[in-house]
Amino acid sequence: EVKLVESGGGLVQPGGSLRLSCAASGFSFSSYWMSWVRQAPGKGLEWVANIKQDGSEKYYVDSVKGRFTISRDNARNSLYLQMNSLRADDTAVYYCARDRSWYSDWGQGTLVTVSS
Amino acid sequence: QSALTQPASVSGSPGQSITISCTGTSSDVGGYNYVSWYQHHPGKAPKLMISEVTNRPSGISNRFSGSKSGNTAYLTISGLQAEDEADYYCSSYTSRNTPVFGGGTKLTVL
Repeated sequence: EVKLVESGGGLVQPGGSLRLSCAASGFSFSSYWMSWVRQAPGKGLEWVANIKQDGSEKYYVDSVKGRFTISRDNARNSLYLQMNSLRADDTAVYYCARDRSWYSDWGQGTLVTVSS
Repeated sequence: QSALTQPASVSGSPGQSITISCTGTSSDVGGYNYVSWYQHHPGKAPKLMISEVTNRPSGISNRFSGSKSGNTAYLTISGLQAEDEADYYCSSYTSRNTPVFGGGTKLTVL
């Protein structure tokens, strides 16, 4: 059974940093692209970033470029999102998802709240 | 990276059929057969309903079907059931080598 479990969310002040983690199991993690997708309160889904199997290619939505960094550790079957210079509009539930040009599997999400 | 355009809401009675549209451009929906659809119940993980325009994953009811014409993709749900009430999102691969989601459609089963 495929399982994706996010962690690391919480309350952070504007300008602060947070590192999200996603633990993957039930599939060959190193064989797939992975993505982070978020949903702000009352808003729709928004793709945030994705990373190739070996980490050699990374892509970001324009609004997080230069502030967020996606990475992975295939030995630990883990995906990460380092979020710096956080803003109020980054407040959202963040999901990790297995990326096959579609998202076949999702975690339950972790809530990030940016507020003073 | 403009979001794909979906109607904000649709509704139907049990047993009826509804169709949700997802309009993009030739740089996303019209240019690739990587359109997918997701069902999202609040507080739960989104669920893949359709991949690659028309493919239904194992375990998804055949009441759900996908299609595409030009720059617009469609999700049709036939034989509406109460449990189908949810938010639905489309997504497409784009020419920027990144994906984009639609704004979401709230389905109400009357």
